[in-house]
Amino acid sequence: QVQLVESGGGVVQPGRSLRLSCAASGFTFRNHGMHWVRQAPGKGLEWVTVIWYDGSNKYYADSVKGRSTISRDNSRNTLYLQMNDLRAEDTAVYYCARDREALYMDVWGQGTTVTVSS
Amino acid sequence: SYELTQPPSVSVSPGQTARITCSTDALPKQYAYWYQQKPGQAPVLVIKKDIERPSGIPERFSGSSSGTTVTLTISGVQAEDEADYYCQSADSSGIYKVFGGGTKLTVL
Repeated sequence: QVQLVESGGGVVQPGRSLRLSCAASGFTFRNHGMHWVRQAPGKGLEWVTVIWYDGSNKYYADSVKGRSTISRDNSRNTLYLQMNDLRAEDTAVYYCARDREALYMDVWGQGTTVTVSS
Repeated sequence: SYELTQPPSVSVSPGQTARITCSTDALPKQYAYWYQQKPGQAPVLVIKKDIERPSGIPERFSGSSSGTTVTLTISGVQAEDEADYYCQSADSSGIYKVFGGGTKLTVL
């Protein structure tokens, strides 16, 4: 079945870096754009970034622009999010999600938790 | 910046109809999408392109659009429908996605 599994979350000190991964299975990964969406504790969903199916285009929310990099390895069916200079406000559950028609997200992973704290 | 506005909460009794709105001042209006999120779970798409119901979503879920407001309607609400609901759209470029603040649906 179609599945997305995130990993790489944890507790990290402010200013440090973290790389999240999202392993895809059950569909042709290289045919789909992919998103990262995050949710701070007790808060709503926040779109973070998207990457085109072939990695040719990447777009970021202002809140992470310049500090985060989305990438993918289509040979490994894996999506990544490299986050640098982490701040307390980056504390959230990070979900990867499959893009459909460059319009919406139709499949979501279960999320990985990032906590930025000293 | 592009914003979507939802009521923070909606309460209904079982069997009644729940309506959750999502509005924006931005034009032209992009399509809207609705996601259901239960505690500790990932979001699930329940309505796409304003009015379309994905396969596997119960018929009691429907969407509508009027002007710059879209509405998620749940007819014959069941206890299992209690969840947070988020609308999602995009800015005028279509690239940058935006979520509404979310609406907590309580089934009394």
